[in-house]
Amino acid sequence: GAGVSQSPSNKVTEKGKDVELRCDPISGHTALYWYRQRLGQGLEFLIYFQGNSAPDKSGLPSDRFSAERTGESVSTLTIQRTQQEDSAVYLCASSLARGIYEQYFGPGTRLTVT
Amino acid sequence: DQQVKQNSPSLSVQEGRISILNCDYTNSMFDYFLWYKKYPAEGPTFLISISSIKDKNEDGRFTVFLNKSAKHLSLHIVPSQPGDSAVYFCAAGGGGADGLTFGKGTHLIIQP
Repeated sequence: GAGVSQSPSNKVTEKGKDVELRCDPISGHTALYWYRQRLGQGLEFLIYFQGNSAPDKSGLPSDRFSAERTGESVSTLTIQRTQQEDSAVYLCASSLARGIYEQYFGPGTRLTVT
Repeated sequence: DQQVKQNSPSLSVQEGRISILNCDYTNSMFDYFLWYKKYPAEGPTFLISISSIKDKNEDGRFTVFLNKSAKHLSLHIVPSQPGDSAVYFCAAGGGGADGLTFGKGTHLIIQP
């Protein structure tokens, strides 16, 4: 079956511009997660959705970051007024439900802020 | 403060031998541990997991061992194959967070 998909695969943007990243989770997975991986680092948790509500936004680095999810499907991560330190690979993952720890990842979006 | 640590950035092993990747954690509230494998330009792929109530889980060539008293887990791959060359991430679930907490990864290189 189809896995988690993300778009775009690569995004280059100028400092100060807004970007929107998209994630399509595995069909039937109610839990959705966003992570960020900076060069040479591990994955850093950003936000978790259960259905279309986000009970845990604790990992969002600043108020320039926001995310939403439509029902139990597509999610978008928006970064406003991008900064160079936002450059990273943004990964989306989904799992069957809250408390099911096995998460399945998409290929990621590589964001470069110039 | 890193709660999940992989102290070896890289590891080189001969094909056919055993690969042992190590991971340490500090948060005693973690109750589930996972290993992910990552190839360049791809997302991490789930490999194997273990609940904190167990001390061993085996799946084919892959075995994960958990030592709760030492807050240490390891992934054993035997025999190692060329396709195993990748970055391996240790991750922990629970600990009061909904997301997984990841280590920085170990780059495993299988030499012919």
